[in-house]
Amino acid sequence: QKEVEQNSGPLSVPEGAIASLNCTYSDRGSQSFFWYRQYSGKSPELIMFIYSNGDKEDGRFTAQLNKASQYVSLLIRDSQPSDSATYLCAVSQAGTALIFGKGTTLSVSS
Amino acid sequence: EAQVTQNPRYLITVTGKKLTVTCSQNMNHEYMSWYRQDPGLGLRQIYYSMNVEVTDKGDVPEGYKVSRKEKRNFPLILESPSPNQTSLYFCASSFAGGSNQPQHFGDGTRLSIL
Repeated sequence: QKEVEQNSGPLSVPEGAIASLNCTYSDRGSQSFFWYRQYSGKSPELIMFIYSNGDKEDGRFTAQLNKASQYVSLLIRDSQPSDSATYLCAVSQAGTALIFGKGTTLSVSS
Repeated sequence: EAQVTQNPRYLITVTGKKLTVTCSQNMNHEYMSWYRQDPGLGLRQIYYSMNVEVTDKGDVPEGYKVSRKEKRNFPLILESPSPNQTSLYFCASSFAGGSNQPQHFGDGTRLSIL
């Protein structure tokens, strides 16, 4: 069974701090990696996607991918209370199936 | 406005009464997919479709059917719903490239099977 693992949290950080969210995956053939944010009762919305090893930055968000270690992370700089949500890591299997982790709940306190 | 539209948004029904949840996208996306989300289990893929007339099972297909007769529509059919299918359901779509492309999600359908 191909798996995507995330710490469920909650991860609590103060406003202005860096939040670090981590995800590991079991299938070495995985090609594409996504981070979605989900507010309670709402649909997932895309935050970042990354295909190649290394870092990818978009505003306050940085995705990091290490295929050798089968590890992908999301850094949120200058965390805001509005960032409080559940963050879902998703991994594409050969362009067909998409496997989600169970999500990490982030709480940013003001 | 680019969107994925699901209907109904909420439904309470009884065991065994066939139901269909519709999903429509207006972005000319080739890939469409259905997920269910349950507490403690996360989002799990039910079925996906790479293109018209091409569908395949995800992780949890039992008890569900799908069809893809037109590019824009991907209905989810529960022929004989049971209480264990009570869940929050999401439809999603993306451009060609299948699940390698970011997916756009609908607003969700909350189903309660009594």
